[in-house]
Amino acid sequence: ETGVTQTPRHLVMGMTNKKSLKCEQHLGHNAMYWYKQSAKKPLELMFVYSLEERVENNSVPSRFSPECPNSSHLFLHLHTLQPEDSALYLCASSQGTAETSYEQYFGPGTRLTVT
Amino acid sequence: DAKTTQPPSMDCAEGRAANLPCNHSTISGNEYVYWYRQIHSQGPQYIIHGLKNNETNEMASLIITEDRKSSTLILPHATLRDTAVYYCIVRVGDSNYQLIWGAGTKLIIKP
Repeated sequence: ETGVTQTPRHLVMGMTNKKSLKCEQHLGHNAMYWYKQSAKKPLELMFVYSLEERVENNSVPSRFSPECPNSSHLFLHLHTLQPEDSALYLCASSQGTAETSYEQYFGPGTRLTVT
Repeated sequence: DAKTTQPPSMDCAEGRAANLPCNHSTISGNEYVYWYRQIHSQGPQYIIHGLKNNETNEMASLIITEDRKSSTLILPHATLRDTAVYYCIVRVGDSNYQLIWGAGTKLIIKP
């Protein structure tokens, strides 16, 4: 138990659906992150929020839309996804700002399958 | 592309020290080396980081060569729960979140 929770743990969606992934951290951290982990590919950073401001948008397609309403919650809104978007989506948080924190705490991930 | 090179897999006997090597020959002077691990069906877990001095914490030791072109993560007394993929990562920009992850080393601890 890392103090970072993600829901749902598993999600199957069609290409025309709209869904959202939720992440919550119970650690009082100031930065939150979304990562994508595809089979046989390294972990890819998608978005970074530091003090509730987005500081990184790593050339992610617009069908992925992040939202950080407060320092404890992070959402990833999904629409018109492609089958190649099937992956494990991981959320992480860190205590200080994203620029200065050395240690990130990861949630267990949401396994997404796009059909 | 990842800035680190690691063996794809390693075995270690339970109770022995596990030594995981990492090559980062293109590392720059201000770039830290980080180690994370990912146990099956879990998110990655931070282990340790360092710049040029050797570091030790309750989980592991990090030995960085004097030229900083390689490092070794040491788990002093490996247990079956240490079976995981271990990632050696180098920061590539000015911010600590700018990490390039590679494929890691699959470490299997055998009884």
